[in-house]
Amino acid sequence: DTEVTQTPKHLVMGMTNKKSLKCEQHMGHRAMYWYKQKAKKPPELMFVYSYEKLSINESVPSRFSPECPNSSLLNLHLHALQPEDSALYLCASSHPARNTGELFFGEGSRLTVL
Amino acid sequence: TQLLEQSPQFLSIQEGENLTVYCNSSSVFSSLQWYRQEPGEGPVLLVTVVTGGEVKKLKRLTFQFGDARKDSSLHITAAQPGDTGLYLCAGAKYGGATNKLIFGTGTLLAVQP
Repeated sequence: DTEVTQTPKHLVMGMTNKKSLKCEQHMGHRAMYWYKQKAKKPPELMFVYSYEKLSINESVPSRFSPECPNSSLLNLHLHALQPEDSALYLCASSHPARNTGELFFGEGSRLTVL
Repeated sequence: TQLLEQSPQFLSIQEGENLTVYCNSSSVFSSLQWYRQEPGEGPVLLVTVVTGGEVKKLKRLTFQFGDARKDSSLHITAAQPGDTGLYLCAGAKYGGATNKLIFGTGTLLAVQP
């Protein structure tokens, strides 16, 4: 069982909708990540939060807006998305003091934009 | 641009066969991980290798980190249908408080019963 929980597991939205993806971990990790993954491709990094501060934004369009309310929670707010944004969105966490790089992933939120 | 190239991209084999997946780069990494991802799930960490030349075994899976820490291999002995999935290598560089991994291009493995 994964210790990173993502909700919802599936989301269908129109291009004018506003929705949010949520991620929660209770492993005491202080770094949290959003990745986007297309079918049969590797995950692509979107955002990294370290100690609740945004540390990396991989030039992601502003229609994706991350938020880290506290050390256990990570949100991804979605607005005015395009059909090409349909993908599996993965949340991950890591312990920043361990620089061997291991990530713990959630099961993902499957997003379909109509 | 740092790239981790995996080969082969796709592999379909029969149960009981052996296979090797390769992960190559021109960059040096401080560590390298292997993940397996099943359909509809997130990637799951299999192993981390840190030292050049290191070999780690996980049941029927053997992982090796190249001497120069630029490449790695995953060997599966007597593959089973449960080994089916997307195998991803990922390289890490020491970078402070966050871990920005470079993911490999992926190898999709299908083991037929």
